[in-house]
Amino acid sequence: DQQVKQNSPSLSVQEGRISILNCDYTNSMFDYFLWYKKYPAEGPTFLISISSIKDKNEDGRFTVFLNKSAKHLSLHIVPSQPGDSAVYFCAASPQTGANNLFFGTGTRLTVIP
Amino acid sequence: SQTIHQWPATLVQPVGSPLSLECTVEGTSNPNLYWYRQAAGRGLQLLFYSVGIGQISSEVPQNLSASRPQDRQFILSSKKLLLSDSGFYLCAWSTGYEQYFGPGTRLTVT
Repeated sequence: DQQVKQNSPSLSVQEGRISILNCDYTNSMFDYFLWYKKYPAEGPTFLISISSIKDKNEDGRFTVFLNKSAKHLSLHIVPSQPGDSAVYFCAASPQTGANNLFFGTGTRLTVIP
Repeated sequence: SQTIHQWPATLVQPVGSPLSLECTVEGTSNPNLYWYRQAAGRGLQLLFYSVGIGQISSEVPQNLSASRPQDRQFILSSKKLLLSDSGFYLCAWSTGYEQYFGPGTRLTVT
């Protein structure tokens, strides 16, 4: 049962434009959400996170938005750069001792120069 | 600063052979440790996690096992590999919500 879903397996965006990656979740016990970026044959790199008590968190070109009522979060990248081309995973965690993460299946972003 | 090491980077093993993948973390104490697998075209599946030495929790039934003999060492093992064990294995550590991943091991079972 996939508790975190990324329904778009791929996304192509022109350089300089906005990239919007979406993620939906089903478990109302999730209270912390994260985005990871992954290049081929490498481990995922932590990008940005948001707590359920917030609806927006911004770090440079990256902004994550959380809509708890819709159980939806999104990652905005503005402006998009060719180096942003990678697979992006969203993840969610319930408040437990081990803080296990539940990952989506990923969205491959291609930024076209 | 914290670093995480995994080895080997790639491994090709025949069906039925044993497996041992090692992960070590530097620069932090008493981290939570995790083993994930990414199968081709799939997301990240949590296999095992550990909140302390000798404490292992399994998330999925399988022919793999994990051990944590030292605070910053996490080992993934199998006595007999299956074809379905092929994938990209990732170790991660955390002391909070954020998890930090190692470079991964590409395992091909032939």
